[in-house]
Amino acid sequence: DVKVTQSSRYLVKRTGEKVFLECVQDMDHENMFWYRQDPGLGLRLIYFSYDVKMKEKGDIPEGYSVSREKKERFSLILESASTNQTSMYLCASSSLEDRGFLWVYEQYFGPGTRLTVT
Amino acid sequence: ELKVEQNPLFLSMQEGKNYTIYCNYSTTSDRLYWYRQDPGKSLESLFVLLSNGAVKQEGRLMASLDTKARLSTLHITAAVHDLSATYFCAVDPSQPSIQGAQKLVFGQGTRLTINP
Repeated sequence: DVKVTQSSRYLVKRTGEKVFLECVQDMDHENMFWYRQDPGLGLRLIYFSYDVKMKEKGDIPEGYSVSREKKERFSLILESASTNQTSMYLCASSSLEDRGFLWVYEQYFGPGTRLTVT
Repeated sequence: ELKVEQNPLFLSMQEGKNYTIYCNYSTTSDRLYWYRQDPGKSLESLFVLLSNGAVKQEGRLMASLDTKARLSTLHITAAVHDLSATYFCAVDPSQPSIQGAQKLVFGQGTRLTINP
């Protein structure tokens, strides 16, 4: 089974602090993703990475940066946390999978980090 | 820009009843995913639908895909309390051969509550 782990389940930080959220996957997946989840808005993609040291902006990258120095680890960084970044953060990973007649990228999710910025 | 819309967003139903959750999306895709999320937990994959007319079933849940109508449905048969959760659909609009292009666009989620 794919295992995606996140460094913290719950985190409380103060406005202006630098925050690091870590994600590790153990299945040698090329792709890794960071989402935030807010009530009524579903999941919104912040950043993703399809290779070591490669990153792409998602739909809401403002206020965030990412780092991928090793294939298994993808970090989300809040340079200066603000209260509007209070949210649930979900990490996911994927790799190309052969489903017989079609190739897919099924995403596997970590347990999530609930971040509160006060 | 791909948009994915689910309805209803909230659904409260009695055990034993049947109901359907709808997932509409705005651009062509032949890959659609359904996920389940229990309160305070992460997303768990339920179904991967890969072509027009695809139908998958697991227990009391059945998912189908109509790529021409850009619609997927998740049908719940004879609901039981254990199915209470939030259900998300997600669409992959990309081509797998293009490196770095793959990402999913999620619907808002449907919070399903099944009352005994």
